Amino acid sequence: AQSVSQHNHHVILSEAASLELGCNYSYGGTVNLFWYVQYPGQHLQLLLKYFSGDPLVKGIKGFEAEFIKSKFSFNLRKPSVQWSDTAEYFCAVSSAGYSTLTFGKGTMLLVSP
Amino acid sequence: DAGVIQSPRHEVTEMGQEVTLRCKPISGHNSLFWYRQTMMRGLELLIYFNNNVPIDDSGMPEDRFSAKMPNASFSTLKIQPSEPRDSAVYFCASSRDLAGNTIYFGEGSWLTVV
Repeated sequence: AQSVSQHNHHVILSEAASLELGCNYSYGGTVNLFWYVQYPGQHLQLLLKYFSGDPLVKGIKGFEAEFIKSKFSFNLRKPSVQWSDTAEYFCAVSSAGYSTLTFGKGTMLLVSP
Repeated sequence: DAGVIQSPRHEVTEMGQEVTLRCKPISGHNSLFWYRQTMMRGLELLIYFNNNVPIDDSGMPEDRFSAKMPNASFSTLKIQPSEPRDSAVYFCASSRDLAGNTIYFGEGSWLTVV
């Protein structure tokens, strides 16, 4: 069975600070990896995804993530956060070739202006 | 293009009442998923369908929960009878198929059982 671990439940940053949210997964096979964002009161939106190829994936709104296979990690990064990035961020994994997602518990990011 | 459409957006009901949540997937998407989100357990996959057929309902918590997909454009998640611990946000999501395509989420149905 797959599982996803997100290291931080809550992160508080000031605007312009750099962000890195950790995500590790456990699964022995080939995986697809995702980061979703949920703004307050809204639904989940896809930030970025990794299926294959370049392990450094760029997504919307200046976010990127790096897949490190040897570490079973897919950390999310942004060099300079904005107040509007305040949201909950979910890492998710699926078996390659399958669409069912297993989510991490989420990391709540609060960016203070 | 219209996204995944869910109704109702918010529902408050009394314990013991039947609750029906509805979902219209994105047109052309053949796979549909129901997730539940709570503070304690995060996002849990309840059940998913492919071509209107339930594939895996192992995530459905109890017999009080049931889901149907009578056609390609409509699905329901029913809770009967509802209990306070069912209070959660229920998300419907769809994808083109089960072959690893991106899943798109609806805006969720916020259920409160008092």
